[in-house]
Amino acid sequence: EVKLLESGGGLVLPGGSLRLSCAASGFTFSSYAMGWVRQAPGKGLEWVSGMSGINDITNYADSVKGRFTISRDNSKNTLYLQMNSLRAEDTALYFCAKDHRWVGGTATFDYWGQGTLVTVSS
Amino acid sequence: QSALTQPASVSGSPGQSITISCTGTSSDVGGYNYVSWYQQHPGKAPKLMIYDVSKRPSGVSNRFSGSKSGNTASLTISGLQAEDEADYYCSSYTTSSTLVFGGGTKLTVL
Repeated sequence: EVKLLESGGGLVLPGGSLRLSCAASGFTFSSYAMGWVRQAPGKGLEWVSGMSGINDITNYADSVKGRFTISRDNSKNTLYLQMNSLRAEDTALYFCAKDHRWVGGTATFDYWGQGTLVTVSS
Repeated sequence: QSALTQPASVSGSPGQSITISCTGTSSDVGGYNYVSWYQQHPGKAPKLMIYDVSKRPSGVSNRFSGSKSGNTASLTISGLQAEDEADYYCSSYTTSSTLVFGGGTKLTVL
């Protein structure tokens, strides 16, 4: 059974940093691309970033490019999202998701975690 | 990258069929057959219902179907059931190697 468990969310001051983690199990982690999707309170889904299973290819939404960094440790079956220079508009529930297959970027998320909440506020 | 355009809401009675549209551009929906549809119930994680325009993951009811014409993709749900009431999101791969979602459609089963 595929399981994705996010952690690391919390309350942070504007301009601050936070690192999210996503522990994966139930599949060969290194064989699949992974991504992060966020959902602001009461709003829709927004793709944040994606990363290939190998070759370390990464993609970012324009809204987070230069501030967020996606990474993974295939030996620990864990995906990360380092978030710097956080803004109020980054407040959201952050989902970790497994990609169905790599097409040069993340295209289809077939499994999702339950999310971790990030609140940016003074 | 602008969000794909979906109707804010649709509704239907049990047993009826409904269709949700998802309009993009030639840089996303029209350029690739990597359109997906997700169902999200309140307080829950999204669930993949359709991928590659019209493919159903294992375990998804065949009452859900997808199609595409030009820059517009569609999700059809036939034989509406109360449990289908949820938010639905489309997504598409883009020429920038990114992913873009639609704004979401709230389905109400009357």
